[in-house]
Amino acid sequence: AQSVSQHNHHVILSEAASLELGCNYSYGGTVNLFWYVQYPGQHLQLLLKYFSGDPLVKGIKGFEAEFIKSKFSFNLRKPSVQWSDTAEYFCAVNAGSGGYQKVTFGTGTKLQVIP
Amino acid sequence: DGGITQSPKYLFRKEGQNVTLSCEQNLNHDAMYWYRQDPGQGLRLIYYSQIVNDFQKGDIAEGYSVSREKKESFPLTVTSAQKNPTAFYLCASSIVWGANEKLFFGSGTQLSVL
Repeated sequence: AQSVSQHNHHVILSEAASLELGCNYSYGGTVNLFWYVQYPGQHLQLLLKYFSGDPLVKGIKGFEAEFIKSKFSFNLRKPSVQWSDTAEYFCAVNAGSGGYQKVTFGTGTKLQVIP
Repeated sequence: DGGITQSPKYLFRKEGQNVTLSCEQNLNHDAMYWYRQDPGQGLRLIYYSQIVNDFQKGDIAEGYSVSREKKESFPLTVTSAQKNPTAFYLCASSIVWGANEKLFFGSGTQLSVL
């Protein structure tokens, strides 16, 4: 069974600091990887996704994530965070095998950016 | 505006009572999903529907039921058999059923037990 681990539950950064949120998954085959974000008072929405090709994926608002197959990781990064990045971030994986293709979510990381 | 509408925003259930959470989408999406979110546990899949008139159990389907009689609607019933129903429920959809499909989410329903 696929699983997703997000090691940081709550991260506090000052504006302009660099961000890296960890995400590891357990599945040995082909995977599709996602980062979703929930800004305060808004719906959960897609930040970026990887399903093939270049392992460095760029998303909205300057975020990027790198798929490292050998490490089963898909860490989210941003060089300089802003106060508006305060949100909860969820990593997700869909192994997409067989007839039961489902997205498994991590437990989420709450990011608080201090002005 | 296109999107997913969940209602009500807050719902209270008495012991032994069934309650139904509404989910409507006007995105013309084939696939729809119900997730349950508990603090510290992420989102867990309850039921999903690949297409109208079809639905399948997810990881935690016990105590829940769904229907998909119309493409735009996917209501979730929390039955009295669900012993721990207090949670935040999220409905989602995707254009089609597929492993790399982006999910679109509603704003959620918070269910509490009286």
